[in-house]
Amino acid sequence: EPEVTQTPSHQVTQMGQEVILRCVPISNHLYFYWYRQILGQKVEFLVSFYNNEISEKSEIFDDQFSVERPDGSNFTLKIRSTKLEDSAMYFCASNDHNEQFFGPGTRLTVL
Amino acid sequence: GESVGLHLPTLSVQEGDNSIINCAYSNSASDYFIWYKQESGKGPQFIIDIRSNMDKRQGQRVTVLLNKTVKHLSLQIAATQPGDSAVYFCAETQFQGGSEKLVFGKGTKLTVNP
Repeated sequence: EPEVTQTPSHQVTQMGQEVILRCVPISNHLYFYWYRQILGQKVEFLVSFYNNEISEKSEIFDDQFSVERPDGSNFTLKIRSTKLEDSAMYFCASNDHNEQFFGPGTRLTVL
Repeated sequence: GESVGLHLPTLSVQEGDNSIINCAYSNSASDYFIWYKQESGKGPQFIIDIRSNMDKRQGQRVTVLLNKTVKHLSLQIAATQPGDSAVYFCAETQFQGGSEKLVFGKGTKLTVNP
């Protein structure tokens, strides 16, 4: 069964460093998303992406964040200068016209 | 503003009992609702969805009820099993046939006792 995959599963970084979180959405899906979940809290929408551009972004998704689909399979989230409060689980999701399928997440720890 | 919340943060049931997890939403414009299950260390897993033109939808051992009058959503799990233990989130959005921003509730942790 097709699934969304994410790498790495856990990323530890120093405050101020750049990180890139990677996702491979389900191959025939057209819409891609990033969400985050701070430990013990609800899942929060960050950004949606379609046709090589951002469809919608939340207030969390400020200038430090960017997304890219560098090729036909990968979808990345970049945080330019990480802050302590960026520590969270980051989930990638994708869909065609129905429910969103989520990846297993990347746990980002900013020290 | 938009918000989706849950009445109870935890629910404990005996194996074999039926479980009911509730959710309240506040955005009247939302017309598509989804229940997700999240097991420890994993991403949200789709369980069942419902459009606002329906008030009930059934899946395998799960039923979702939607009451638009009071903006209430519930998930019923029949004959709850230990494998059902997880955190359950409701999510709302405005259906667009593709690029939807999901607004999640805070989650209810379901524990099934053998």
